[in-house]
Amino acid sequence: NAGVTQTPKFRILKIGQSMTLQCTQDMNHNYMYWYRQDPGMGLKLIYYSVGAGITDKGEVPNGYNVSRSTTEDFPLRLELAAPSQTSVYFCASVKVTGEKLFFGSGTQLSVL
Amino acid sequence: GENVEQHPSTLSVQEGDSAVIKCTYSDSASNYFPWYKQELGKRPQLIIDIRSNVGEKKDQRIAVTLNKTAKHFSLHITETQPEDSAVYFCAAKGYRGSGYSTLTFGKGTMLLVSP
Repeated sequence: NAGVTQTPKFRILKIGQSMTLQCTQDMNHNYMYWYRQDPGMGLKLIYYSVGAGITDKGEVPNGYNVSRSTTEDFPLRLELAAPSQTSVYFCASVKVTGEKLFFGSGTQLSVL
Repeated sequence: GENVEQHPSTLSVQEGDSAVIKCTYSDSASNYFPWYKQELGKRPQLIIDIRSNVGEKKDQRIAVTLNKTAKHFSLHITETQPEDSAVYFCAAKGYRGSGYSTLTFGKGTMLLVSP
């Protein structure tokens, strides 16, 4: 199993551009999460999904959108990139809700 | 929602010493408390976890203790080694308005073990 796969690993965006961060898992987990990690601030939950077609906001959802059309994929969309969205983004999945998260390798995003 | 506080933010120890990282949580309904280790440039990885029906759990050189009454839990690393140098995050499982649970993380502790 590949586990949780995120692409791209690095990206530089200009202010106002849009992009999609991809996340795929092959463990047949129903629960998937997007976190952002800022220096010294821990991991903040952006959005989560409890199954195909079901998503909900986390602590910091503004400026982001998600969709979950299949069990495997949980993409994160940035519509109008802002410098405040410069961060490292981690996707995670889990078999039992809220426990033993498996993280992807992360996407380092810079908005300039 | 759940709020997790973690201290200290940085911790420097000599190789062979013990290290202790402490966390508090706010939601008395939280029942699962994992600890993650993140090496520089890598993903967070689960190193140990504890449930609210257990007071202490050990795995070789690491242990976690939980005090439900005081709503705090701690990570203990004994006989530290340079490879223990990393950022450690505590987390608590809280329940959202949707009825589903998510993990809320502390801000992390950077542990530096000097040879």
